Amino acid sequence: SQKIEQNSEALNIQEGKTATLTCNYTNYSPAYLQWYRQDPGRGPVFLLLIRENEKEKRKERLKVTFDTTLKQSLFHITASQPADSATYLCALDVNSGGSNYKLTFGKGTLLTVNP
Amino acid sequence: NAGVTQTPKFQVLKTGQSMTLQCAQDMNHNSMYWYRQDPGMGLRLIYYSASEGTTDKGEVPNGYNVSRLNKREFSLRLESAAPSQTSVYFCASSVALQNRPQHFGDGTRLSIL
Repeated sequence: SQKIEQNSEALNIQEGKTATLTCNYTNYSPAYLQWYRQDPGRGPVFLLLIRENEKEKRKERLKVTFDTTLKQSLFHITASQPADSATYLCALDVNSGGSNYKLTFGKGTLLTVNP
Repeated sequence: NAGVTQTPKFQVLKTGQSMTLQCAQDMNHNSMYWYRQDPGMGLRLIYYSASEGTTDKGEVPNGYNVSRLNKREFSLRLESAAPSQTSVYFCASSVALQNRPQHFGDGTRLSIL
């Protein structure tokens, strides 16, 4: 069966360190992969999109990698800050038939950055 | 610039009651979506509309209906609410169905007693 797994439900790190979150998938062949941030009581907010032919993408302190052989994406936040504390969701853009694509979400990883 | 606006923000219903969740976007997006988010289950797609005039089922459509009223508005209706439909409902929109970021509203928290 198709599955998206984010490495852990919760991750705690010290301020200033690099946070690394993992998204693994099985039985999907996504053309694109996206990462979102969700704060308590709010909707998800888009962060980064990476295509299957891209190995890495960066935006400020954020970096995403996409390895279609390993079926894995890594999401890095460098020089982490308490304000980075949130739940991070990965999502696969999957062809559901013909020209229809659907975004399928992982369950998320709750990141806590301690001062 | 409001983005995606959902109403109401909170609602409590009794089993068997009906209600419509409203969603409007002001970004001129073609595609719109309804998700539900439950603890331990993540976001699951209920219905989506690739463009004005079209709607399609997502992963968990049973018990719901949708209407794409115009390009801006996409509503979700519960005809006969059940306790299993207690959830947080999110509406989202994107420029197109594929390979585009989705913009989410802040959700409707629905409890069915």
